[in-house]
Amino acid sequence: EAQVTQNPRYLITVTGKKLTVTCSQNMNHEYMSWYRQDPGLGLRQIYYSMNVEVTDKGDVPEGYKVSRKEKRNFPLILESPSPNQTSLYFCASSFYPLSNQPQHFGDGTRLSIL
Amino acid sequence: GESVGLHLPTLSVQEGDNSIINCAYSNSASDYFIWYKQESGKGPQFIIDIRSNMDKRQGQRVTVLLNKTVKHLSLQIAATQPGDSAVYFCAEPHLLNTGFQKLVFGTGTRLLVSP
Repeated sequence: EAQVTQNPRYLITVTGKKLTVTCSQNMNHEYMSWYRQDPGLGLRQIYYSMNVEVTDKGDVPEGYKVSRKEKRNFPLILESPSPNQTSLYFCASSFYPLSNQPQHFGDGTRLSIL
Repeated sequence: GESVGLHLPTLSVQEGDNSIINCAYSNSASDYFIWYKQESGKGPQFIIDIRSNMDKRQGQRVTVLLNKTVKHLSLQIAATQPGDSAVYFCAEPHLLNTGFQKLVFGTGTRLLVSP
């Protein structure tokens, strides 16, 4: 089954404790992206990746890192999480360019930073 | 369930009614549009898309209409069912200064279907 898989689905942690949210897709998509979704603010892009070893900042990259060492994986790293990073996070993937087909989304990761 | 937007416009309909959800877009150069459905606790799910060389596209119980003159997109759901209750987003790719594209999402509309 074609899918985007995120882990964990839920995480409660404390300020400053490094964490990684994994994202994996099995559709051989070259484009992958991370979004955060907050009430009243909609979906905002954090980082995206055009292909292996090619990443760039989205609209809200501060406090996040990403890596793309393999085509199927695009982990989101919070080196020193803070409470303002409490949010619902989505990973998405698609072929590129984006004008040809929709992005596929994972089911989300709910992060709570205390 | 999880709230994806505390101040979303809401459309309330009765089961069996037809629903129309609207979206205005800003980029007159956009050539591709997508509708997503997001149920509580889940990620956005692709429903239907349309290219700018079309005015209308039909799927199963859904129709998307595109009016390029007024930059307006609508999603019509026929015979709405309780399972259609969700937040619906439109989205379109925008070209960045880098030459890459990004997907820009509308704010969303919450559809509530009563039995």
